[in-house]
Amino acid sequence: DVKVTQSSRYLVKRTGEKVFLECVQDMDHENMFWYRQDPGLGLRLIYFSYDVKMKEKGDIPEGYSVSREKKERFSLILESASTNQTSMYLCASSNSRGNTIYFGEGSWLTVV
Amino acid sequence: SQQGEEDPQALSIQEGENATMNCSYKTSINNLQWYRQNSGRGLVHLILIRSNEREKHSGRLRVTLDTSKKSSSLLITASRAADTASYFCATPLYNFNKFYFGSGTKLNVKP
Repeated sequence: DVKVTQSSRYLVKRTGEKVFLECVQDMDHENMFWYRQDPGLGLRLIYFSYDVKMKEKGDIPEGYSVSREKKERFSLILESASTNQTSMYLCASSNSRGNTIYFGEGSWLTVV
Repeated sequence: SQQGEEDPQALSIQEGENATMNCSYKTSINNLQWYRQNSGRGLVHLILIRSNEREKHSGRLRVTLDTSKKSSSLLITASRAADTASYFCATPLYNFNKFYFGSGTKLNVKP
């Protein structure tokens, strides 16, 4: 069965901390995504990657960076966490044919 | 924004009734997909309809697509309490490297 695994389900971090959210997929997908989901705002694309070491900005990249050193792993980095980054973060992957996007279970991040 | 937008934002019905939710999008598409999200969880793919299709069925789900109006609808027939969830439409863009989602329709099915 296809699987996208997010390493942390719930995190609490302090303002200014560096935060890593890790995501691994086991489907050999080319594309990987990080979304942020907030009430009333739906899913907003932060970054996506279409190949190893390749990345493109989504709609809200400010305050975030990403890393894709291996095909199966896509990391989201908050260099200096702020309270307005408190949110649910969803990782996803898809193949290059764009038929289906598979999501992880989400990571709830609270920045205090 | 290239997002699809779902309508209504929220829908409350009784078990056994049908639920219809709509999606509008802005650009030409290759396909349109519907996803479901249970509270606090990730999204799960429900159904895909290609741009050359007008209607598609999967179990109790029926999806229609009108490319001239840039709209799609999802019908859930004979709804169950377990259908309570948020439903999103998604459109892959460019070379399928980007998916854009709307804000979702929150469906509540009362037992």
